[in-house]
Amino acid sequence: DAGITQSPRHKVTETGTPVTLRCHQTENHRYMYWYRQDPGHGLRLIHYSYGVKDTDKGEVSDGYSVSRSKTEDFLLTLESATSSQTSVYFCAIGSMGAGTEAFFGQGTRLTVV
Amino acid sequence: GESVGLHLPTLSVQEGDNSIINCAYSNSASDYFIWYKQESGKGPQFIIDIRSNMDKRQGQRVTVLLNKTVKHLSLQIAATQPGDSAVYFCAENMDDYKLSFGAGTTVTVRA
Repeated sequence: DAGITQSPRHKVTETGTPVTLRCHQTENHRYMYWYRQDPGHGLRLIHYSYGVKDTDKGEVSDGYSVSRSKTEDFLLTLESATSSQTSVYFCAIGSMGAGTEAFFGQGTRLTVV
Repeated sequence: GESVGLHLPTLSVQEGDNSIINCAYSNSASDYFIWYKQESGKGPQFIIDIRSNMDKRQGQRVTVLLNKTVKHLSLQIAATQPGDSAVYFCAENMDDYKLSFGAGTTVTVRA
């Protein structure tokens, strides 16, 4: 699967606790993305990175932070998890520009109780 | 074959028939469009893309049509097979290498 590993694959956490999801790539892609997927909404961009220590917000970034200290790892942190953040989270790599292709990880199912 | 006039969340297709999945996009300035397929428990996979200077592009058993006048995109699957059962998403390239995804259409193939 294009050298993308998300961890953990499943997690249940309590409201108010911090949670960190990890995306690891072996493709040396400059661009990495975090999306969330909810019924009826498709995939919505949370944050993305265009290089080490270079990140920017997507359309649903509130309550989330990211870090990219090295090319291969992109971390997504829920600072204080809420039930509305129960979702499936996907990491993607690739420029997503015309003529290129983006690759998605297998997803992390997060449940906040 | 069966088609969806406007975006509908589900589509049921007889095996061997042609499928047409429709998508309306929002940004008339978008210059690149992609169709993704997502099977149960997996991440989305690239199927086919099209640039805004084209109105049709063909792949293996799939064709994408783009109508910029009405901001409409469609995916045609020829001779639908059981392995085509999945959720299909259209996406448009907004800017800065970001994609905006539609809500998705669940395709179920009947034997």
